[in-house]
Amino acid sequence: NAGVTQTPKFQVLKTGQSMTLQCAQDMNHEYMSWYRQDPGMGLRLIHYSVGAGITDQGEVPNGYNVSRSTTEDFPLRLLSAAPSQTSVYFCASSPLRTRTYEQYFGPGTRLTVT
Amino acid sequence: QQQVKQSPQSLIVQKGGISIINCAYENTAFDYFPWYQQFPGKGPALLIAIRPDVSEKKEGRFTISFNKSAKQFSLHIMDSQPGDSATYFCAAKARSFGNEKLTFGTGTRLTIIP
Repeated sequence: NAGVTQTPKFQVLKTGQSMTLQCAQDMNHEYMSWYRQDPGMGLRLIHYSVGAGITDQGEVPNGYNVSRSTTEDFPLRLLSAAPSQTSVYFCASSPLRTRTYEQYFGPGTRLTVT
Repeated sequence: QQQVKQSPQSLIVQKGGISIINCAYENTAFDYFPWYQQFPGKGPALLIAIRPDVSEKKEGRFTISFNKSAKQFSLHIMDSQPGDSATYFCAAKARSFGNEKLTFGTGTRLTIIP
């Protein structure tokens, strides 16, 4: 199992550009989520999904879109990049209805918006 | 609004010493409290977790202490080793069927010096 994979590892964007951060998991997990990590702010939830076709907003959803057409993939779209979106982005997945609730994180994408 | 408050922001401990990281929460609906460990350039990974029906959980050198009445929990690392140097996040999950949303603390950067 590859676990949770994210591409790209690094990205530099200019203000106003759009892009998609890719996330895929091969563990057949129903739950997937996107976080951003900023110094002193911890991990903040952007969007999450409990299954194909179902998405919802997290704590900091503005400026981001998601979709979930398959169980495996959960891409994050930046519509019009802003310097405030400079961050490290993590995708995570976990099975639903278990007692462990362990979330498996990808290796992250470091995004810089100039 | 920070639902899970974590301290200290950074911690330096000598090899062999005890590292202690503290977290506090307000939401009484939280019923699962994990700790995640993150090494530089990697995604967080589950270290240890506790439910509020017990006051302590130990796994090797890592122990969670939980005080339900004070709404506080802490991570103790006994015999701290240089390999424990990492960022540690506490987190909490609300009692909610089919929803794995975690609320994270702001993180503690732990450095173990020889």
